[in-house]
Amino acid sequence: GENVEQHPSTLSVQEGDSAVIKCTYSDSASNYFPWYKQELGKRPQLIIDIRSNVGEKKDQRIAVTLNKTAKHFSLHITETQPEDSAVYFCAASKAGGGNKLTFGTGTQLKVEL
Amino acid sequence: NAGVTQTPKFRVLKTGQSMTLLCAQDMNHEYMYWYRQDPGMGLRLIHYSVGEGTTAKGEVPDGYNVSRLKKQNFLLGLESAAPSQTSVYFCASSYQGLDEKLFFGSGTQLSVL
Repeated sequence: GENVEQHPSTLSVQEGDSAVIKCTYSDSASNYFPWYKQELGKRPQLIIDIRSNVGEKKDQRIAVTLNKTAKHFSLHITETQPEDSAVYFCAASKAGGGNKLTFGTGTQLKVEL
Repeated sequence: NAGVTQTPKFRVLKTGQSMTLLCAQDMNHEYMYWYRQDPGMGLRLIHYSVGEGTTAKGEVPDGYNVSRLKKQNFLLGLESAAPSQTSVYFCASSYQGLDEKLFFGSGTQLSVL
């Protein structure tokens, strides 16, 4: 089955700096890659996603890039703010069989003032 | 709309006891899922359902059973709880199809002593 590896496990940045979280996946048939944000004690929520026919997608301060050849994708957050502090999960799935997501192990992002 | 509702929010069990977690969604979603979240291990899929009356095993199904008798409900059962099942359990639902956003419940903190 699919295996998703995520790095780093913790990331600390200064407010206003950029943050980058990287994930690799093992199944070349995977074609959907969402990112979820989970604040402390809360439920995960989708923040951005990308399909395999697209190399990059942006939404205000966040962007995701995908390299299908290398089987890796990354989340980029620019101009970080304290409210960006949370755990971020990458995930991967492929068509058919119920949209089952395989999640990475998470990155704890801390934005320091 | 309430979205995805999980009950109970907290539960403490003794080893060998049984319990059922209830997930209800009011968005007419076809797909429903049960994940468990453990520190450093991300979200792992236990069981899922692609429609009323259907269930399928996920990544870590051992020790759990599920039922989807009604489209809006997805039940997760532990027949004989073990300390290894101490975790936070999240239910989620989505529309049918790839790249459909998962809507998560607020989670159930389960401790097995």
